[in-house]
Amino acid sequence: RKEVEQDPGPFNVPEGATVAFNCTYSNSASQSFFWYRQDCRKEPKLLMSVYSSGNEDGRFTAQLNRASQYISLLIRDSKLSDSATYLCASPRPPGAGSYQLTFGKGTKLSVIP
Amino acid sequence: DGGITQSPKYLFRKEGQNVTLSCEQNLNHDAMYWYRQDPGQGLRLIYYSQIVNDFQKGDIAEGYSVSREKKESFPLTVTSAQKNPTAFYLCASSIKVSTGPYNEQFFGPGTRLTVL
Repeated sequence: RKEVEQDPGPFNVPEGATVAFNCTYSNSASQSFFWYRQDCRKEPKLLMSVYSSGNEDGRFTAQLNRASQYISLLIRDSKLSDSATYLCASPRPPGAGSYQLTFGKGTKLSVIP
Repeated sequence: DGGITQSPKYLFRKEGQNVTLSCEQNLNHDAMYWYRQDPGQGLRLIYYSQIVNDFQKGDIAEGYSVSREKKESFPLTVTSAQKNPTAFYLCASSIKVSTGPYNEQFFGPGTRLTVL
């Protein structure tokens, strides 16, 4: 299994829809996970951090499933402005510079009017 | 304003030339990182530094060099030995060096390098 894997998409959803992305990870010792949002030709920006079972911030909910080793990002009531690529990140395994992060390749979301 | 700055935003280089990309942060972060992003490839780690005067190779260090003479600065040199240097280069920093739950990395705006 690759360290971090994401479905590349694209996910094309209508405004107002609920959409969810999954991200699988291989390092079972990871204590923290991160979702970043990256707009076209811009830098990734931290969207949410997940340290325990999950985190919620407005329309965005991140959940962690340790048994199956995946994290999910749920976006409710999608807005046009949510269109972006969403990257997940997980710390590398112990002994490999575990303060480093491994990033997935990203899932592209397009919210359609 | 606290943050990470990178310059230049766009850089054009002729084959055979070395170029240096600037990265500065005023967040008082210990660790700094350089990534390269190519379409469909995701972020790949070039070099990272935990403290001043120390740095380590990442996954794709060949053809690159760095220095960390000041906590705030981590410049990246793309040498002529780098075979495919055209890419989007991102600098990042994080507050914690040791292992632990807080590993958020924050990114600068990036430098887009094109080799002519």
